[in-house]
Amino acid sequence: EDQVTQSPEALRLQEGESSSLNCSYTVSGLRGLFWYRQDPGKGPEFLFTLYSAGEEKEKERLKATLTKKESFLHITAPKPEDSATYLCAVQAASGGSYIPTFGRGTSLIVHP
Amino acid sequence: DVKVTQSSRYLVKRTGEKVFLECVQDMDHENMFWYRQDPGLGLRLIYFSYDVKMKEKGDIPEGYSVSREKKERFSLILESASTNQTSMYLCASSGVGYGYTFGSGTRLTVV
Repeated sequence: EDQVTQSPEALRLQEGESSSLNCSYTVSGLRGLFWYRQDPGKGPEFLFTLYSAGEEKEKERLKATLTKKESFLHITAPKPEDSATYLCAVQAASGGSYIPTFGRGTSLIVHP
Repeated sequence: DVKVTQSSRYLVKRTGEKVFLECVQDMDHENMFWYRQDPGLGLRLIYFSYDVKMKEKGDIPEGYSVSREKKERFSLILESASTNQTSMYLCASSGVGYGYTFGSGTRLTVV
């Protein structure tokens, strides 16, 4: 069974204090790993897709990396507007299923 | 950009009412999904559909049904609303092999 574990559950940072969020996964062949941002009361917003170990993607202050067992979302010099819940999901390559398995998310609060 | 539109942001319904949640996507995606999201439980898949008139049960289908008469529209139906169905409902769509695009969500309160 595919599993996704995100850590920490919650993270509080001061503005400018860089940190990383972790997404550990077990899947029978990875088709893709997805990162989403979710603001309170809204639907998740797509950030990145990573397909293979060693791949990196960047967007503004966010950088996502992927290994064979985990992905990191690095946040450099965060601002209060980066406060949100960040969700990770994996999609297996085998079995023909396209249903991603989601983690429970990391709630990030950035204090000014 | 793909857009997934959910018809209501907030709904308040009474126990026992039949409730319809509508979702429309504009990118000709084959796959559409309904999730509910609750604090501490994460996203839970209710139903999904990979083609018109096709539907598959997700992890928590009890108390729900769905309808997909047209490719762009996927409706979630609460046959007889109960208080334990108070939740955030999220619709999503995807092409084959790609990640999801989510709607903005419907916050349903059943009183």
